[in-house]
Amino acid sequence: GDSVTQMEGPVTLSEEAFLTINCTYTATGYPSLFWYVQYPGEGLQLLLKATKADDKGSNKGFEATYRKETTSFHLEKGSVQVSDSAVYFCALRIRGYQKVTFGTGTKLQVIP
Amino acid sequence: GAVVSQHPSRVICKSGTSVKIECRSLDFQATTMFWYRQFPKQSLMLMATSNEGSKATYEQGVEKDKFLINHASLTLSTLTVTSAHPEDSSFYICSASVVRGNQPQHFGDGTRLSIL
Repeated sequence: GDSVTQMEGPVTLSEEAFLTINCTYTATGYPSLFWYVQYPGEGLQLLLKATKADDKGSNKGFEATYRKETTSFHLEKGSVQVSDSAVYFCALRIRGYQKVTFGTGTKLQVIP
Repeated sequence: GAVVSQHPSRVICKSGTSVKIECRSLDFQATTMFWYRQFPKQSLMLMATSNEGSKATYEQGVEKDKFLINHASLTLSTLTVTSAHPEDSSFYICSASVVRGNQPQHFGDGTRLSIL
């Protein structure tokens, strides 16, 4: 079946540090890949997406590149802020299907 | 961008009551809506997929008589937790999408359900 594996958290960083959250996947078909962010007490917001190999999704300083050869979609940001503290979910969706498969989420805590 | 509104955001009620949660797509027509449950510090668990005008498809282990889903229009789906008990306390999140290309799901802000 389809699955998404994320690095376990929590990840604690100082403000302006470099962030990487690893994500790898297995898919039964051709997936689109997503990163969602969840702030405390809220639902999920789409952060960025990539729909085909070698695509780079980016938003709010976050980036992730769809690597088919390594089945990865690692999330990066060059300089994190306290306001980036949240839980980040990597997810995939197979083309032609509605269902989204989520990773377990990685909690990021940024300290001043 | 696409907006999904979920209501109420928080519910506290006594054991044995039924609770209805609404999920609306405000600026697009959602052919499919999803209902998730999220336990503390855990990922989202898909409960059911709701298609407009047809019966919901429930995931394995989810009681369809306990969690009633109605998707009466292209902009509204409801989840009713019937005869709720403390173990039903959780964070429930809906999402909506259209059947077009590889569009992502758009999520509501969630409903915190607490059964006393």
